[in-house]
Amino acid sequence: GAVVSQHPSRVICKSGTSVKIECRSLDFQATTMFWYRQFPKQSLMLMATSNEGSKATYEQGVEKDKFLINHASLTLSTLTVTSAHPEDSSFYICSASKGHTEAFFGQGTRLTVV
Amino acid sequence: DAKTTQPPSMDCAEGRAANLPCNHSTISGNEYVYWYRQIHSQGPQYIIHGLKNNETNEMASLIITEDRKSSTLILPHATLRDTAVYYCIVRVAPSQGGSEKLVFGKGTKLTVNP
Repeated sequence: GAVVSQHPSRVICKSGTSVKIECRSLDFQATTMFWYRQFPKQSLMLMATSNEGSKATYEQGVEKDKFLINHASLTLSTLTVTSAHPEDSSFYICSASKGHTEAFFGQGTRLTVV
Repeated sequence: DAKTTQPPSMDCAEGRAANLPCNHSTISGNEYVYWYRQIHSQGPQYIIHGLKNNETNEMASLIITEDRKSSTLILPHATLRDTAVYYCIVRVAPSQGGSEKLVFGKGTKLTVNP
């Protein structure tokens, strides 16, 4: 299957700082990527849809100024958690589709804010 | 909201078939049934999908009832590495104009025991 890579896999940051997470489609071009968040023992919650060359579409309740998404190319989308707080600690996962096919997911990024 | 209902947990003996049920009584005629699984602390992995016919691939088989209101994912010979949370998702296929985003329910935690 197609490969979607996330970096970093784990990050620890201080409260008040910003953290950038990268999502790359390694062997295909993805016009759309998706960002999810998952808290312990819970399911994945869609945060936003990242569209190449345009603004991201955020799900209800997700702060667009706090979770900045940039989709600068067909193979890269980034999620920046700004002014991170301990409650932002979570598992962040991206996904991408190879055209009109099933979605492929990155390995996830474990964010811990201390 | 997720349109599927799954048991929260199941157990299976190693080497035996694992049969994971999913109810989707409100499925529409153009919605497919997708199955993903998530091994602890990893991104979800695509398993299989189908519309109304039974499907089989190298990972699993998908049996969809004639009225399409329920389905069963079958892992023919479960191994310890199949221990994961399995998600059943219904959506219109992207190739038919459906959204590529996936809405996850709570899934079934399958534990394969030695």
